[in-house]
Amino acid sequence: EDQVTQSPEALRLQEGESSSLNCSYTVSGLRGLFWYRQDPGKGPEFLFTLYSAGEEKEKERLKATLTKKESFLHITAPKPEDSATYLCAVQAGGSYIPTFGRGTSLIVHP
Amino acid sequence: DAGITQSPRHKVTETGTPVTLRCHQTENHRYMYWYRQDPGHGLRLIHYSYGVKDTDKGEVSDGYSVSRSKTEDFLLTLESATSSQTSVYFCAIRPGQASSYNEQFFGPGTRLTVL
Repeated sequence: EDQVTQSPEALRLQEGESSSLNCSYTVSGLRGLFWYRQDPGKGPEFLFTLYSAGEEKEKERLKATLTKKESFLHITAPKPEDSATYLCAVQAGGSYIPTFGRGTSLIVHP
Repeated sequence: DAGITQSPRHKVTETGTPVTLRCHQTENHRYMYWYRQDPGHGLRLIHYSYGVKDTDKGEVSDGYSVSRSKTEDFLLTLESATSSQTSVYFCAIRPGQASSYNEQFFGPGTRLTVL
């Protein structure tokens, strides 16, 4: 059974204080690992797909990395507008159904 | 913007009544999904569709049915709503037919309250 564990559940940062969110996973043959951002009252917004260990992707202050067991979402010099819940999901080979983690709630204080 | 709309956006209903939620997409994507999101559980798949009249169950399908008679519309029906079905419901689509496109794009959600 595919499993995704995100940590921490909640994270409070000061503006400019860089940090990382973790997504640990077990899956039979990774087809893809996905990161989403979700603002309160809205649907998840797609950020990145990572396909293989060693891959990295960046978007503004966000950088996602992938190993064989976990992914990190690094947030560099965050701003209050980066406050959101960040979701991780994995998809196994041969499946079109991703498994989602419970998310990390990030609050960035000005 | 993946061109996904959900209706209604908010609904309050009573236990035992039938409820239908609609997901509409404008870009003819083959794959469509219904999820529910609850505190402490994250996103859980209810049903999904891989084409017109082709649907399958997800991990929390009990008490729900779906229909897809047109590519653009995916309907989720609660035959007899219960309080445990109070949740936020999200529709999602997956563009592309090949394995290179796996990410999903989500609608704005429907907040359903069953009293």
